[in-house]
Amino acid sequence: ETGVTQTPRHLVMGMTNKKSLKCEQHLGHNAMYWYKQSAKKPLELMFVYSLEERVENNSVPSRFSPECPNSSHLFLHLHTLQPEDSALYLCASSQASVVNYGYTFGSGTRLTVV
Amino acid sequence: GEDVEQSLFLSVREGDSSVINCTYTDSSSTYLYWYKQEPGAGLQLLTYIFSNMDMKQDQRLTVLLNKKDKHLSLRIADTQTGDSAIYFCAESISGSGYSTLTFGKGTMLLVSP
Repeated sequence: ETGVTQTPRHLVMGMTNKKSLKCEQHLGHNAMYWYKQSAKKPLELMFVYSLEERVENNSVPSRFSPECPNSSHLFLHLHTLQPEDSALYLCASSQASVVNYGYTFGSGTRLTVV
Repeated sequence: GEDVEQSLFLSVREGDSSVINCTYTDSSSTYLYWYKQEPGAGLQLLTYIFSNMDMKQDQRLTVLLNKKDKHLSLRIADTQTGDSAIYFCAESISGSGYSTLTFGKGTMLLVSP
C-alpha cells in the first residue's frame, strides 16, 4: 500500500475515445503531480497542483486535461490521443512545504492508444 | 535547463556492492533523491540527501554527494537479487510554495545469483 492509488491499472483506448485516469491519496498531502514515463526517456512532469490550484503545465498538449476537485483527488482526462501517447502515467503527491520528504508515487496507469 | 544523467545499466553478482552514479546540473537543488522502481510498480523513495551534506548512510545504502562536481552516487552493499530494479536519481527544484523533481532516465540494476 503506497498511500497513492491510481485507477485503472491498465487502459487500452482508441484514438477517438474519451477516458479519464484517477488518482487518490489519503496522506494529507497538499500537492499532486502527473508524470509521464515513456521507454528510454526521463520521467516527464506534466502538471502540478498545489493547494488545488494548477501551478505548472509543462507544454502538455490540450488532449490531456487535468482536474483537481479537492486535495485528495486528481484526474487526467484524455481525448483524441495519439499512439505516441502510450506510456505509463504516474501520479504523485507531496507535502508542498516539506521538500525533503520527496514524493509518494502511485503504481501508475499503463495506457495503450491503438 | 535542468538535466539529470545516469548510466543506463549495471550488472553485478549477488553479494557484491553496486554503485550507481548520477550527475545533475542545478546547483540550487536543496535535496537529491534516489528512487527505486520495480516492474509494474510506481517509484519508491529509497533515500535522500540534503545538499549541505556529503554522505548519508542508511543500512545497506550509502549516498555520496560531491556538490562541486554535481555528482551523486548510491552504493548498495551486499546486493541481493531483490535489489534488481530501475534506480532513479532526482533533484528538487523549488517553486513558489511547492517543489518539483527532475529525474534521470534511470539505471537498470540486474543482480545475478
